[in-house]
Amino acid sequence: AQTVTQSQPEMSVQEAETVTLSCTYDTSESDYYLFWYKQPPSRQMILVIRQEAYKQQNATENRFSVNFQKAAKSFSLKISDSQLGDAAMYFCAYTGNQFYFGTGTSLTVIP
Amino acid sequence: EADIYQTPRYLVIGTGKKITLECSQTMGHDKMYWYQQDPGMELHLIHYSYGVNSTEKGDLSSESTVSRIRTEHFPLTLESARPSHTSQYLCASRPLWDSNTGELFFGEGSRLTVL
Repeated sequence: AQTVTQSQPEMSVQEAETVTLSCTYDTSESDYYLFWYKQPPSRQMILVIRQEAYKQQNATENRFSVNFQKAAKSFSLKISDSQLGDAAMYFCAYTGNQFYFGTGTSLTVIP
Repeated sequence: EADIYQTPRYLVIGTGKKITLECSQTMGHDKMYWYQQDPGMELHLIHYSYGVNSTEKGDLSSESTVSRIRTEHFPLTLESARPSHTSQYLCASRPLWDSNTGELFFGEGSRLTVL
């Protein structure tokens, strides 16, 4: 069965600094997709970044980048130049036929 | 911003009441989902649909029911609410053609409190 583990329930970062959120997953499939979603307080969950498992190159979206280690089944999210608006719950997710989510990491950005 | 809407956003009701949480999307997506989300917990899939007249139960056992009479509409109903149903309910959708690769689009959620 597919599982997604986020071992950091809470993280904090100083504004303008860099923070890395961890995620590991377990699967027997060879072709799948991984996502990071952001859920601001009382607002919609939105996609931050997506990684295709067959691509070795790490995905990047502006200040957000991932470190995808397929053999280790690791998929961490790096946020550079953190901004106050980055404060939110971040969920790592895996998809094959269905979506599987981790338990989330609550990120606080300190001014 | 995704075109998927949930109503009500917040609801406080008494035990035993029947409630329906509404979810509508204007993107023409075939696949729709209901997740239950408790604080500090992952999202649990409770129902999903692959199209009109298609409904399936998810991984988490739920006393709720769903219907899919129209592509854009996927309401969730609790016939008799209990305090254990207190939670946030998230509706999501994605197109059938992109079912294994595409992102999920989420509504803003319905936060239910049962007294």
